[in-house]
Amino acid sequence: GQQLNQSPQSMFIQEGEDVSMNCTSSSIFNTWLWYKQDPGEGPVLLIALYKAGELTSNGRLTAQFGITRKDSFLNISASIPSDVGIYFCAGLRTSGSRLTFGEGTQLTVNP
Amino acid sequence: NAGVTQTPKFQVLKTGQSMTLQCAQDMNHNSMYWYRQDPGMGLRLIYYSASEGTTDKGEVPNGYNVSRLNKREFSLRLESAAPSQTSVYFCASGLAGGTDTQYFGPGTRLTVL
Repeated sequence: GQQLNQSPQSMFIQEGEDVSMNCTSSSIFNTWLWYKQDPGEGPVLLIALYKAGELTSNGRLTAQFGITRKDSFLNISASIPSDVGIYFCAGLRTSGSRLTFGEGTQLTVNP
Repeated sequence: NAGVTQTPKFQVLKTGQSMTLQCAQDMNHNSMYWYRQDPGMGLRLIYYSASEGTTDKGEVPNGYNVSRLNKREFSLRLESAAPSQTSVYFCASGLAGGTDTQYFGPGTRLTVL
């Protein structure tokens, strides 16, 4: 099936540091979504991107839809302990088709 | 609104036992999905239902069956559980035909001994 390569797999950072993660594919996607999963919970949608080049923010989170439509990036500024969790990217190739998920980035923030 | 709810939250089965995982959504979404999450493998789609009355296989359907009981409810059944089905199961719903952004339930943690 389609593959989304998400990196890094895990990150260990100090509180206050900025974080960057990305998702790449060999296929073109029309929509990119970023989810966060807290321990023991289901994924929660953070940001949705619908156009190539789009840059969207949600508080300290900023995500970009890559120009080639084959990648997306998520940045978290000034990390805090509650940012801990697994971050998933997901891509949608055409309207109504099924989402493809990356394998997730496990983020640990040390106070 | 409760969003997407799942029952049970935890379950332990013996090999060969059967069970049904329940999912309901109150967002009037057309599409519903069942995923399993295993360490290092992200979320894999088991089955989905694009609309009431239709179901389709996803990436890993073997060993599972589903029923879209009505617009609100989508159940996942394991007829004869196997240890390989030990996983966390998530139900999700979304607006089919649009961006198909999906909203997830809290998950069911299943262990098959």
